[in-house]
Amino acid sequence: ILNVEQSPQSLHVQEGDSTNFTCSFPSSNFYALHWYRWETAKSPEALFVMTLNGDEKKKGRISATLNTKEGYSYLYIKGSQPEDSATYLCAFKDTNAGKSTFGDGTTLTVKP
Amino acid sequence: DTGVSQNPRHKITKRGQNVTFRCDPISEHNRLYWYRQTLGQGPEFLTYFQNEAQLEKSRLLSDRFSAERPKGSFSTLEIQRTEQGDSAMYLCASSRGTSSEQYFGPGTRLTVT
Repeated sequence: ILNVEQSPQSLHVQEGDSTNFTCSFPSSNFYALHWYRWETAKSPEALFVMTLNGDEKKKGRISATLNTKEGYSYLYIKGSQPEDSATYLCAFKDTNAGKSTFGDGTTLTVKP
Repeated sequence: DTGVSQNPRHKITKRGQNVTFRCDPISEHNRLYWYRQTLGQGPEFLTYFQNEAQLEKSRLLSDRFSAERPKGSFSTLEIQRTEQGDSAMYLCASSRGTSSEQYFGPGTRLTVT
């Protein structure tokens, strides 16, 4: 069973704060790492697909980095807004798997 | 709307009954996934299809669970003799290929009483 861990489990920040979370995954047989955002009462929505060691992706105020050799990815949010409040999930795929193994997510609450 | 759809959105059933859920993926996506999600946890993989072929099934899945994708389009997930522990959100997702991001449906929330 693959172990994908996310930390922290939850985070409360003030509007305007910058924040980051971690996703840890197995460092062997890496194929891809996905980040998703899941707002309450909505479907999970893809943020980034990361496949190469050293990848950095950015979408607006949200960015992510990837280190496949040590098995971690960081998600950064700059200047958090209340609409950023959601659960952020990472999902790991190894070289032989069609499936994704998800972490339990980091739930972000941004207070106005 | 060309997103992933799931029906029903909510299902309440009595223990021991059978239930069936349907997922309609995005039409050009050849991969379809089923996940189960309970409060405070991430989606847990159940099974996935490439076109009509079921390529992998979780070892955690009991024989009461079965899934089909008969023509490589929509899929059904059936749970026989439901138990209270089956209460969860059942999510369906589709994608174009192995590394592509998955597009999720809104889920079916199952409550077994």
